[in-house]
Amino acid sequence: NAGVTQTPKFQVLKTGQSMTLQCAQDMNHNSMYWYRQDPGMGLRLIYYSASEGTTDKGEVPNGYNVSRLNKREFSLRLESAAPSQTSVYFCASNHRDGYTFGSGTRLTVV
Amino acid sequence: RKEVEQDPGPFNVPEGATVAFNCTYSNSASQSFFWYRQDCRKEPKLLMSVYSSGNEDGRFTAQLNRASQYISLLIRDSKLSDSATYLCVPHSNSGYALNFGKGTSLLVTP
Repeated sequence: NAGVTQTPKFQVLKTGQSMTLQCAQDMNHNSMYWYRQDPGMGLRLIYYSASEGTTDKGEVPNGYNVSRLNKREFSLRLESAAPSQTSVYFCASNHRDGYTFGSGTRLTVV
Repeated sequence: RKEVEQDPGPFNVPEGATVAFNCTYSNSASQSFFWYRQDCRKEPKLLMSVYSSGNEDGRFTAQLNRASQYISLLIRDSKLSDSATYLCVPHSNSGYALNFGKGTSLLVTP
């Protein structure tokens, strides 16, 4: 089925470890996004990519880096994980008809 | 200033009731709007879009009032399965939402 695929679905990291969250979409959308959602809160934009080869900071970019590998893939990297980065991460792509989200990555940093 | 403001609720309604949510937006340049529903611990999913004056899909009706800068969502004949958080999202010329806000929580009870 067409959509946005995120991996992994769950991850536990120790403080200081690094990891990359992967995201791929097969809808040929130009724009892709990474959001985080903390308990009881709305989604906040971390980084976005308006098109292949471009990336820009969102509302909460500190502690993260991104790579738009090609039109399909947009990865999010935590270089040195901190407990404050414990959250649910959603990747999304969008078109004029709205956003399509991946199923999320639940990350816990201990 | 937040892009949108929604009453977080929760709105507790009995099955079969009609319920309405409002969403006010700050950017008068926003061209279109979307209502998403988010179930607990799941990704947001597109419910319906509003491009002009309104949109209707079955039991759901969305209306846009540009003069007063608000969008409404009306749910008729509420079902238990309608229990979720409803997010209002403007689709601005920049093409992305900085944050989705906390949305409005709906609980439909037997």
